[in-house]
Amino acid sequence: GAVVSQHPSWVICKSGTSVKIECRSLDFQATTMFWYRQFPKQSLMLMATSNEGSKATYEQGVEKDKFLINHASLTLSTLTVTSAHPEDSSFYICSARGWGQGGQPQHFGDGTRLSIL
Amino acid sequence: QKEVEQNSGPLSVPEGAIASLNCTYSDRGSQSFFWYRQYSGKSPELIMSIYSNGDKEDGRFTAQLNKASQYVSLLIRDSQPSDSATYLCAVNTGNQFYFGTGTSLTVIP
Repeated sequence: GAVVSQHPSWVICKSGTSVKIECRSLDFQATTMFWYRQFPKQSLMLMATSNEGSKATYEQGVEKDKFLINHASLTLSTLTVTSAHPEDSSFYICSARGWGQGGQPQHFGDGTRLSIL
Repeated sequence: QKEVEQNSGPLSVPEGAIASLNCTYSDRGSQSFFWYRQYSGKSPELIMSIYSNGDKEDGRFTAQLNKASQYVSLLIRDSQPSDSATYLCAVNTGNQFYFGTGTSLTVIP
């Protein structure tokens, strides 16, 4: 149980392109979804937290207009990197957290490796 | 002070030994504690959850929680080369979720 599907797994595109990444919880309803980015040999960096039907909460230093997050349902969140540039190249990972008492863990997708040429 | 602290390592143990990974947290109100394993180039995967004081065993893994001392540990018995990865400690406090920076473990054949 607790499977999170993330697509695409790999994207290569030209500078200026917008890229959409999908994150789906397949067998549970996700009250909260999280988006992270990770550079090689570095720690996870939380970008934003989203709850279904409400606006995402972005971490300090993350541009809201650059990284658009939509959490339209209890099983789907999307991250759109708008007008991507080479410095946006990174490993983007989503996670989802479901209902339950006692604190539910985050379950991670497989990540999306984004390369901007 | 960071909410969750881990020794970044690297920690090296010989195959078959016990690997001990430690984590401390700052908020006494923290309720839930998790260990994740992250292989290089992959996303984290949940390996253990622990909610109450004491030990919790799952196969070769044992999580230990001591709320009075505010630490969580993970023991890996009979370590295998396939256990070589970065181990992330995570703590849930209310609506917040905090990750440590991870401890890199290398199991030497």
